[in-house]
This record gives sequence, structure tokens and C-alpha cells, in this order.
Amino acid sequence: EVQLVESGGGLVKPGGSLRLSCAASGFTFSSYSMNWVRQAPGKGLEWVSSISSSGTYIYYTDSVKGRFTISRDNAKNSLYLQINSLRAEDTAVYYCARRETFTYDSGSYYSYFDYWGQGTLVTVSS
Amino acid sequence: SSELTQDPAVSVALGQTVRITCQGDSLRSYYASWYQQRPGQAPVLVIYYKNNRPSGIPDRFSGSSSGNTASLTITGAQAEDEADYYCNSRDSSGHLREFGGGTKLTVL
Repeated sequence: EVQLVESGGGLVKPGGSLRLSCAASGFTFSSYSMNWVRQAPGKGLEWVSSISSSGTYIYYTDSVKGRFTISRDNAKNSLYLQINSLRAEDTAVYYCARRETFTYDSGSYYSYFDYWGQGTLVTVSS
Repeated sequence: SSELTQDPAVSVALGQTVRITCQGDSLRSYYASWYQQRPGQAPVLVIYYKNNRPSGIPDRFSGSSSGNTASLTITGAQAEDEADYYCNSRDSSGHLREFGGGTKLTVL
């Protein structure tokens, strides 16, 4: 059974830092791209960052570039998100999500988030 | 703000059919995926690619796409389908992902 379990959230002051973790089990972690998605209280889902299976390719949404760093340790089946210079608008539940990918039409690829963790809450407040 | 546009709220009578739409330029190039989120729970994938359902998702859920619009249709809506629904796709660069603003479905 695929499981994704986030941890590391909490209450932090503006300008502070946190490191979120996502422990994966039930699948070959090193074969999948992984993502972080967040949801501010009462708001919609926002894609935050992705990392390829080997860690070679990394992408961020514009609002977190330079402040957030995604990483992974395939030996430990773990995904991380280092979040620095926290702002009130970063307050959200942070989900890790596995991304499944397949190719079609002679080389095009399609991907989607097939498994999600339960999330960890980050609250930024003084 | 999202470049995928969804109606904020839609309602449907129990047992009737409802269509939830998602519009955006990136959908001319990329298929969407759809996620259901019940209150207090993590999102769950319900439709991906052209019209594929993960195991465990009832066949009353279906997907379609035309031009810049992706649609999620629930045929014979049930009380348990009351939830928020989000579309997702690659953005125009092809490297990033974006979600629609979400549609709150009420089953009357």
C-alpha cells in the first residue's frame, strides 16, 4: 500500500524557517517524481514544487523561488521542503504528492498526482 | 492567480448529472487531471488523461476535453460526491503545474 506521511509543520514567526519531510513507503520511491502542493486555509490547491526521480530536475512556483528548496533522499525514501524567510501568506497545509508519468503519441508525456499524503500545517504568525 | 478557470460553485439534484468545467490556454496542449477533496481530507485523483479513472473511483465520474476546456461529468450524483473539485494541468511552459481555483459541488 502506497503511503505518504508528512511531518515538520508548526507555528513559526515571520522570517523563520522550517523543514518539512515526507516519508514514502509501499512503492519504489526512486522511480517517481515527487511534488509539494499547499492549501491556505479556506483556499484552493496551489502547486509549489517538483523534483524528478533522480533529483536532477527541480521546479518551483514563482512565489517561492529563492525561499523554498525541494530535495530528496532516495536511500531514505524521503522528500523534503526547506522553507525559509516565511511570510504570513505561506500559512497552509502542505501536501506531498507522488507524480505518475506515462508517454503517448510518440514521445509526449502525461503526468498526474496519483497519491497524496494527509498534509502538515504550517502557520506563520508573530 | 490561476490560469485555469473553474466556476466557484455548482449544485446538482441527487441522482442528476452535473458537469464541472475548467478553462485555460494550456488545455489546448495538455490534458487535465481532476481531484476531489472532501472537507478536512487530502485530495483524491478521480480522472486523468483523456478519461481514465483510478481503481476505486465509481464509473459515474467521467472526463472529456475540447479546445481550451476540460470537463468532469458526474452522471447520477450521490450525496457523497459533495466536495470541492480541482483541475490540474501543466502550465504553458510545460514544466510547471497549475490548479484551477476549484469548484464546490453541492448535492441537493
